[in-house]
Amino acid sequence: EDKVVQSPLSLVVHEGDTVTLNCSYEVTNFRSLLWYKQEKKAPTFLFMLTSSGIEKKSGRLSSILDKKELFSILNITATQTGDSAVYLCAVFNAGNNRKLIWGLGTSLGVNP
Amino acid sequence: KAGVTQTPRYLIKTRGQQVTLSCSPISGHRSVSWYQQTPGQGLQFLFEYFSETQRNKGNFPGRFSGRQFSNSRSEMNVSTLELGDSALYLCASSVAPGLRNTEAFFGQGTRLTVV
Repeated sequence: EDKVVQSPLSLVVHEGDTVTLNCSYEVTNFRSLLWYKQEKKAPTFLFMLTSSGIEKKSGRLSSILDKKELFSILNITATQTGDSAVYLCAVFNAGNNRKLIWGLGTSLGVNP
Repeated sequence: KAGVTQTPRYLIKTRGQQVTLSCSPISGHRSVSWYQQTPGQGLQFLFEYFSETQRNKGNFPGRFSGRQFSNSRSEMNVSTLELGDSALYLCASSVAPGLRNTEAFFGQGTRLTVV
């Protein structure tokens, strides 16, 4: 059965810290891995990763995929209170039953 | 351009009732997916519609149904509500079905509480 596992489930850091969020997966017919940030309700898109070893970067956020070891990490440097959110990882199964498989998310709290 | 619009934002229903939720995708997006989100289960896929046809369906009972109209707006219906149906229902729109390397945009969701 396809599954996406995120760790840790939650963590709290101080402003300025660097955090690494993990996403491992076992999904047949892998097409892509996506990261979303969910603050109150609507998840907002961060990154889509399809190739191993190519880092995607947007400001203080970056992400990379390892298709051999079946995981991805999301890094946030110099964290700010506005980074507090749930970070969701999803993997797209491009098989006959095409759909996104979602992890439970990592809840990140950034204290001033 | 306007984002994904879901209505209503909040809903309280009693067990046994039925409910209809609405989702208007981003203009030009033809694919709409529905998700149920609960603290313990995370985001669970309900179904996906494209061009008024259901393209894909998750593992939910038949009480959960949906449809899509010619203007790409979608509705989902839950009949005979149960307490366990209390959740945040999210709708996501994308240009084409199954992502095809384009991201999905989410609405603000409908918070359904069944009492």
